[in-house]
Amino acid sequence: DTGVSQNPRHKITKRGQNVTFRCDPISEHNRLYWYRQTLGQGPEFLTYFQNEAQLEKSRLLSDRFSAERPKGSFSTLEIQRTEQGDSAMYLCASSPGGGPYGYTFGSGTRLTVV
Amino acid sequence: AQSVTQPDIHITVSEGASLELRCNYSYGATPYLFWYVQSPGQGLQLLLKYFSGDTLVQGIKGFEAEFKRSQSSFNLRKPSVHWSDAAEYFCAVGAFLGNEKLTFGTGTRLTIIP
Repeated sequence: DTGVSQNPRHKITKRGQNVTFRCDPISEHNRLYWYRQTLGQGPEFLTYFQNEAQLEKSRLLSDRFSAERPKGSFSTLEIQRTEQGDSAMYLCASSPGGGPYGYTFGSGTRLTVV
Repeated sequence: AQSVTQPDIHITVSEGASLELRCNYSYGATPYLFWYVQSPGQGLQLLLKYFSGDTLVQGIKGFEAEFKRSQSSFNLRKPSVHWSDAAEYFCAVGAFLGNEKLTFGTGTRLTIIP
């Protein structure tokens, strides 16, 4: 069990550029979640997958955001035309199933838009 | 809709002293409740969780929490804090009834003084 891995750890980008983050969940976990955490706040739910199916998306996930989980393994979160308000920590978590398991979080990707 | 309130933004305690972090939740049915800890620049680590049964829950690192339905509270306690406990602590509530997201509080930052 190598835990949830997120890459890159840090990303600095210019406003208007596109960025993509990757999350590798714990291998036997079929559920994968993306959260966003801004400074001084708790994580906010963005979206989640069960295997390759994206089952829920938050209203926070504007049209500039897209997430995929091809083949139900790793996931990517892409932000197009980044804005300064996108600066945040993007956290990925996985769990072995619905119900009372709790998540295992990755260390996150810190995005800074300049 | 579910919500979590952590009324204390910042708490300072002396090393060796006892600790209680407050958490109040709002949810229409029996909630699933969690406490996570986050060190600077890191992801979240699960300390403990409550789903049903005994209202006093034991977690890792010597932490415990008590679920009080009448007060809609799930306070985190530790009898004697260590300098390594300095971190941000988040309470979260989940429903897991066709809705797999967790709703987090805004967190309590814990500072330990020698």
